[in-house]
Amino acid sequence: KNEVEQSPQNLTAQEGEFITINCSYSVGISALHWLQQHPGGGIVSLFMLSSGKKKHGRLIATINIQEKHSSLHITASHPRDSADYICAVRVNTDKLIFGTGTRLQVFP
Amino acid sequence: DTAVSQTPKYLVTQMGNDKSIKCEQNLGHDTMYWYKQDSKKFLKIMFSYNNKELIINETVPNRFSPKSPDKAHLNLHINSLELGDSAVYFCASSTRVRTEAFFGQGTRLTVV
Repeated sequence: KNEVEQSPQNLTAQEGEFITINCSYSVGISALHWLQQHPGGGIVSLFMLSSGKKKHGRLIATINIQEKHSSLHITASHPRDSADYICAVRVNTDKLIFGTGTRLQVFP
Repeated sequence: DTAVSQTPKYLVTQMGNDKSIKCEQNLGHDTMYWYKQDSKKFLKIMFSYNNKELIINETVPNRFSPKSPDKAHLNLHINSLELGDSAVYFCASSTRVRTEAFFGQGTRLTVV
């Protein structure tokens, strides 16, 4: 079992839908990252969280340290949100452990 | 201005060759990383350097040798390339104390 688990693995949505991607981890962490990767593209950091909630535009990330769980929400989804979303946890100051990713496709 | 740049973006080479991938960051970060993304898009850390000092070496074959001439550069040299080395390699940087990681655009290595 991976130390970082994401669900779902694949997600299809209609434009405008509210989307949630979940991440659970089994190790102690200092921070959790949500990353975005477009097909054939580079990796972009969306959020880094160590507690609570962060919002950036239509994206919201939450973390519950006690439950070792984080969620990434996308409001009013758009086809340009189609990408892989990757959860990663920082287990010490120098190492990220990655989830297996969630492939999101948003159709018009 | 690109924050983390790696070259080349694509690299096709024959088995047995030696190749290098270069990475540079202009963010003033003190920690740099190499990650490997396999064919299933799973990312895994290979190396981490802090202030030119090797911090993490995740049981990577010693055919892979990172070199950090200064804090802003972390190059990856691979000897005797094998088919299984085909992957996308990402360089990244951060500061040691809880900042976001910035990734390069990736180098798609194909060994034929």
